[in-house]
Amino acid sequence: GAGVSQSPSNKVTEKGKDVELRCDPISGHTALYWYRQSLGQGLEFLIYFQGNSAPDKSGLPSDRFSAERTGGSVSTLTIQRTQQEDSAVYLCASSLMTGRRNTEAFFGQGTRLTVV
Amino acid sequence: AQRVTQPEKLLSVFKGAPVELKCNYSYSGSPELFWYVQYSRQRLQLLLRHISRESIKGFTADLNKGETSFHLKKPFAQEEDSAMYYCARGGSQGNLIFGKGTKLSVKP
Repeated sequence: GAGVSQSPSNKVTEKGKDVELRCDPISGHTALYWYRQSLGQGLEFLIYFQGNSAPDKSGLPSDRFSAERTGGSVSTLTIQRTQQEDSAVYLCASSLMTGRRNTEAFFGQGTRLTVV
Repeated sequence: AQRVTQPEKLLSVFKGAPVELKCNYSYSGSPELFWYVQYSRQRLQLLLRHISRESIKGFTADLNKGETSFHLKKPFAQEEDSAMYYCARGGSQGNLIFGKGTKLSVKP
């Protein structure tokens, strides 16, 4: 497809289980971002990739959260031992970097994670 | 730290009234600045960016370097403008830093 694709669109998991969220960015986009959107909390930055490397991991809330990107394309966000406070919509976005200038970021539809 | 501050979580106006959504950014050279919008049940999408100096859906945003602000304005709000609005800036490492967002509610 032409846009950013995230899977699954919805995920319900039991507390303590691990989950993997996937993001397929727009082909050719070198920058990839993960954000978390909680009710009433706005947009929380998690991690940013430039190619396969992550120059900014400052937003990851704890060591239970990790992310990787392979081949400069698909990215996976993993949450280990999920907790109820991890429940949120996880958004992925990608953009085409021109030098160090940002171009428009395109967002996926998000993965709604519910931890029960 | 590079920050974007949107002081209002919720802004409620009547249809036809002017609207201004505030955004302040931490100073760091000449950052790129953007406004993103999320309508109900839709994806977050770009509304406008400061380098384009454009007006989209009647919205404009003026960069004030002295006040480090990039407020979003529209002279006459419409009901379809009701949405979540996010101000964002480019970071020094090429990342995008977003504010917490302002929910705009336009009443009939």
